[in-house]
Order: sequence, then structure tokens, then C-alpha cells
Amino acid sequence: DQQVKQNSPSLSVQEGRISILNCDYTNSMFDYFLWYKKYPAEGPTFLISISSIKDKNEDGRFTVFLNKSAKHLSLHIVPSQPGDSAVYFCAASHSGYALNFGKGTSLLVTP
Amino acid sequence: GAVVSQHPSWVICKSGTSVKIECRSLDFQATTMFWYRQFPKKSLMLMATSNEGSKATYEQGVEKDKFLINHASLTLSTLTVTSAHPEDSSFYICSARTEPNYGYTFGSGTRLTVV
Repeated sequence: DQQVKQNSPSLSVQEGRISILNCDYTNSMFDYFLWYKKYPAEGPTFLISISSIKDKNEDGRFTVFLNKSAKHLSLHIVPSQPGDSAVYFCAASHSGYALNFGKGTSLLVTP
Repeated sequence: GAVVSQHPSWVICKSGTSVKIECRSLDFQATTMFWYRQFPKKSLMLMATSNEGSKATYEQGVEKDKFLINHASLTLSTLTVTSAHPEDSSFYICSARTEPNYGYTFGSGTRLTVV
């Protein structure tokens, strides 16, 4: 049963524009959410996280928004750069247990 | 920052043989390590959670006799795929929890191909 869902398998954005990646979850026990970036044949690289007590966390060009009532979070990248092209995974955990991952969204940023 | 070193990065083996994958935490002690498997175009699926000095906890559907996990020290966890078959071909990734407040660091992954 997929508890973390990324319904868009791919997204294409022009350089300089905003990229918005979405993620939904079903488990209300999740208290920590993370976004990872992954290149083929490499391990995921941590991008940004947010705990359930917050609704927004910002780090440079990356901002994560959390809407607990909708069980939805999103990652905003602005401005998008070609180097941002990768697969982005949304992940969630509760009480420090193992992460539950979505299936990923492949982002392509075109010049 | 915290680094998890995973080896080998890729391996090709014959059916019926065993393969060992190592994950080492560098510059920190990992009391808990997670092992994931990723199928093509699928999410990372948790296989097992290993705690130093105790038996690993396997997720439902994961054969513990096939995927042997050893976490004998605070800096090393190993996953051994025993009697490998082509369907075991996959990308395996380990992860260590680095802090009480849920910091996670991933290894670089191992691409296993069983022929």
C-alpha cells in the first residue's frame, strides 16, 4: 500500500521559471517529511525537510509547503536551473522510523 | 557532513551465487541502518531495518533467509543476497539515521545484475 504518492511521473519547466512538485500522503501519523533528489545509479541526496509542526520551510531556491489537513506537500524550486534536472522523491516518516517514499517525479529543466 | 560509503557500486554475478553489499558510516556511528531496494520506475521500497548488535527487522514479503543483514558494529552494516536469481537484479541502497531528529544519509547504491 503506497502511503506516499507522487502522481506526476514527470514535469518539464523552462529555465528561470518555478518548478512545483507535489506529494500526497495517507498516513496521518507521519510527522516528518523530506525531499530527495536522485540521479540514475546514485543514492538519493537530501534537499529539504519539514516537520509536521510547520507549514513552510525555505532553503535558498527550495521551499517546501505542508498542508496537513489536505495531507499534501509540495516542493517549489525557483528559479529553476538545468542542473535541477533529476528525479525528485518525496518521503515521510513517523517517530523516526524508516522513510516511506513516493515513486518520484522526473523534472526536466530546459534552457 | 555525515557520509555513508556503500560498496560495490555495481556487481554482476551468476545465478546461484551470493553477493555481499557493505555500507559504512564515516565519521559517525549509525545505530540504525535501513536497506532499500528500487525497481525500475518504482519508489524505494524498505526491505529491512537493522540495529547494531541485534537481529534485523524485515518488512513483510522480504525473505530473511535470502537477504541476510548483519550490523555487527556501529559503522558497518552488510546485506548479503544469497543464492541470487535474475529476479533479484535491482538497485539496493542503504541509509543511516544520523541524528535523533531524523537526519538520514544514503549510500550511493549498488546495482546488482544476476545473469
